[in-house]
Amino acid sequence: AQKVTQAQTEISVVEKEDVTLDCVYETRDTTYYLFWYKQPPSGELVFLIRRNSFDEQNEISGRYSWNFQKSTSSFNFTITASQVVDSAVYFCALSSGGRRALTFGSGTRLQVQP
Amino acid sequence: KAGVTQTPRYLIKTRGQQVTLSCSPISGHRSVSWYQQTPGQGLQFLFEYFSETQRNKGNFPGRFSGRQFSNSRSEMNVSTLELGDSALYLCASSSPSGGVREQYFGPGTRLTVT
Repeated sequence: AQKVTQAQTEISVVEKEDVTLDCVYETRDTTYYLFWYKQPPSGELVFLIRRNSFDEQNEISGRYSWNFQKSTSSFNFTITASQVVDSAVYFCALSSGGRRALTFGSGTRLQVQP
Repeated sequence: KAGVTQTPRYLIKTRGQQVTLSCSPISGHRSVSWYQQTPGQGLQFLFEYFSETQRNKGNFPGRFSGRQFSNSRSEMNVSTLELGDSALYLCASSSPSGGVREQYFGPGTRLTVT
């Protein structure tokens, strides 16, 4: 069985603060993929990043960065200098065993106040 | 490229009726997956289709079914609607090449069962 835990239900920050969203996953498969999606108020899930289990390199894309640590089964997401437009629900997701089916975490609602 | 499109965007049905939702994937994507999003259960995988064949199915009753056509467009059907079927139904498509690729989501169909 696989599971994704996002313990932070809601986070509120003031614009320009840095914020880290936590994601912990469980799977027995050695090959798996991790994803982050953003869901703004419009409802459409927007793909942010995909990472496979063999690539533990951290990644930075503009103000976004991701820290993947297999030793702690975590795939955390940091937004640097947050902006009001970052306000959304963020989901961490896992697929494993060669299946495309995504197992999602419960999501973290991020509110960035001006 | 045009994104994933879903029709209709909103739907109101009565308990006991049936409903059909439609999804057109990104051009060239042959894998289509469906997810249900509710406040209580979060995002849950329904099923995945590839080349007109169902490849994976989530833990949903048989009232939920789907199909995929030769042009990769997909439909899902829910028969004998229950109040608990009220949800946002999201369709996602992905490229079949390069292992488990990221899924791109449509805007969803919001179904309300009264």
